[in-house]
Amino acid sequence: EAQVTQNPRYLITVTGKKLTVTCSQNMNHEYMSWYRQDPGLGLRQIYYSMNVEVTDKGDVPEGYKVSRKEKRNFPLILESPSPNQTSLYFCASSRYGTGYEQYFGPGTRLTVT
Amino acid sequence: GQQLNQSPQSMFIQEGEDVSMNCTSSSIFNTWLWYKQDPGEGPVLLIALYKAGELTSNGRLTAQFGITRKDSFLNISASIPSDVGIYFCALSGNQFYFGTGTSLTVIP
Repeated sequence: EAQVTQNPRYLITVTGKKLTVTCSQNMNHEYMSWYRQDPGLGLRQIYYSMNVEVTDKGDVPEGYKVSRKEKRNFPLILESPSPNQTSLYFCASSRYGTGYEQYFGPGTRLTVT
Repeated sequence: GQQLNQSPQSMFIQEGEDVSMNCTSSSIFNTWLWYKQDPGEGPVLLIALYKAGELTSNGRLTAQFGITRKDSFLNISASIPSDVGIYFCALSGNQFYFGTGTSLTVIP
């Protein structure tokens, strides 16, 4: 089954404790992306990757890191999480970037206390 | 970043009624997308629009983006309870931009 998977689905952590949210897709897509969703703000793009070893900042990259060492995986790293990073996070992938629709993972609900 | 204004913010309608929502952008884009998000799930693509002025349908859903390529609408005909959710417009470029969403409630 074609899908985007994320882990964990739920995470509660404390300020400053480094964490990684994993994302994997099995559709051989070139493009992968991370979003955060906050009430009233819709989905905002954090980082995106057009291909392996190519990553770019989205609209809200501060406090996040990503890496794209393999085509299928695109982990999101929070080196020192803060309470304002409490949010619902989605990973997505598409065949290419411009002009192609994105397929979303199930989401990761992160709470930073 | 790109501004995407989506309206209305929320809608409460009776089952069977038609629904219309729209989206405007501050820049021109050649690909518009409409997504639906059910509670606790990721957004799912409903309709992808690639040609300005062309009406595209998917069952009871119809969408189009305008000749100016700065606006789009989504219509849902004869709403049913499972239409409940949040609808997002989105723009597809190297970056993806999403509207703030329209929350739809269907009253049986």
